[in-house]
Amino acid sequence: QLQLQESGPGLVKPSETLSLTCTVSGGSISSTGYYWGWIRQPPGKGLEWIGSIYHSGSTYYNPSLKSRVTISVDTSKNQFSLKLNSVTAADTVVYFCARHPQDYCSSGSCYRGGYFDYWGQGTLVTVSS
Amino acid sequence: DIQMTQSPSTLSASVGDRVTITCRASQSISTSLAWYQQRPGKAPKLLIYLASSLETGVPSRFSGSGSGTEFTLTISSLQPDDFATYYCQHYNNYSPWTFGQGTKVEIK
Repeated sequence: QLQLQESGPGLVKPSETLSLTCTVSGGSISSTGYYWGWIRQPPGKGLEWIGSIYHSGSTYYNPSLKSRVTISVDTSKNQFSLKLNSVTAADTVVYFCARHPQDYCSSGSCYRGGYFDYWGQGTLVTVSS
Repeated sequence: DIQMTQSPSTLSASVGDRVTITCRASQSISTSLAWYQQRPGKAPKLLIYLASSLETGVPSRFSGSGSGTEFTLTISSLQPDDFATYYCQHYNNYSPWTFGQGTKVEIK
């Protein structure tokens, strides 16, 4: 059974860089056909996709956060990571890591693969001095 | 960005009720739509992808339909485990992917 687990500091100071790692177990992060992504959620509010990475290092980001976000992958450790710089109180949210398929074709039709089928439990990061 | 609008925001229902949640996209997304269930303090759980494909292990009382800009999630007979918040998400292109604001299903 594939499992994802977020880890990292729960408290970050304003203007500093938030760093989180997602460790994948029960499967390989280098599996063909899957991207690994970050999603965040303010307490009691909706979900926001941050960005995704393939095991090759190919990435794409939400334009609203792109200038502050870096997602990287370490296949030797079966982990991928999120860095968000210049944080403010607005970045005080729960961060989830998750997996989604890449675009695929089946029976002559092609489909988008951006739905998240496995999720970590989430980790709350508070931005405060 | 493509905006996803869910209705209603809150729904009060009883065990055994048939429940329908609507999700509208601000432009056509074909069938690139997923539905998730989220219980308090937990991660979202994928229920439906490709607008109408049931994720493995999800009870058959959940179903999805629609294409283009209008989609529905139906629970045919509400069970106690189903009281939760439901989100739709488009993944039609990398414009970016966005979620609806959520529909909370409460006990009547």
